[in-house]
Amino acid sequence: GAVVSQHPSWVICKSGTSVKIECRSLDFQATTMFWYRQFPKQSLMLMATSNEGSKATYEQGVEKDKFLINHASLTLSTLTVTSAHPEDSSFYICSARAAGGRDLLDTQYFGPGTRLTVL
Amino acid sequence: QKEVEQDPGPLSVPEGAIVSLNCTYSNSAFQYFMWYRQYSRKGPELLMYTYSSGNKEDGRFTAQVDKSSKYISLFIRDSQPSDSATYLCAMGGGGGNKLTFGTGTQLKVEL
Repeated sequence: GAVVSQHPSWVICKSGTSVKIECRSLDFQATTMFWYRQFPKQSLMLMATSNEGSKATYEQGVEKDKFLINHASLTLSTLTVTSAHPEDSSFYICSARAAGGRDLLDTQYFGPGTRLTVL
Repeated sequence: QKEVEQDPGPLSVPEGAIVSLNCTYSNSAFQYFMWYRQYSRKGPELLMYTYSSGNKEDGRFTAQVDKSSKYISLFIRDSQPSDSATYLCAMGGGGGNKLTFGTGTQLKVEL
């Protein structure tokens, strides 16, 4: 089956530093990747949609200058949390949609998530 | 009102029980309905997806969609302790290619 990896799986950083999270589709090409965040006991909240080779589309209320997304290839998207603060501590999950898929959502595969803790 | 409503639980059942998980939604434009299973500190895993009203069965899992009532269900037969997880319903097709998730129901299957 389609596999999506994320790196790192967890990270602890000091307030004010930047953190980069990678999302890779390992055995398929992903034209679209999605970035979510999830707080404890809450559902996934979509942050942005990333299409390969173009700018990401951010959801309302998500600061694009704080959460930088790059989707430079069909197998890699990165999320950089700039000047992280404790309120950015969360579980960040990416998903990838296979290239060539119909406009259907059954081809969206999730990564294992990255737990970010900002001290 | 949220677009998707899901009882967060927790729901505790004995091993072997039939589990019923449900979501309601308000956006009649939703066309795709999915159930994901998420273990603690892991990413969601797609369990079932349906595109129309009716039932879809896969092993011990049955997904049911009633578009007229805007209500979807996931049934788990012969529940096992390994089924203990959070179950998220998700819907799409209501605009763009985004998924809208329920809050998730935490299920615990006890020996």
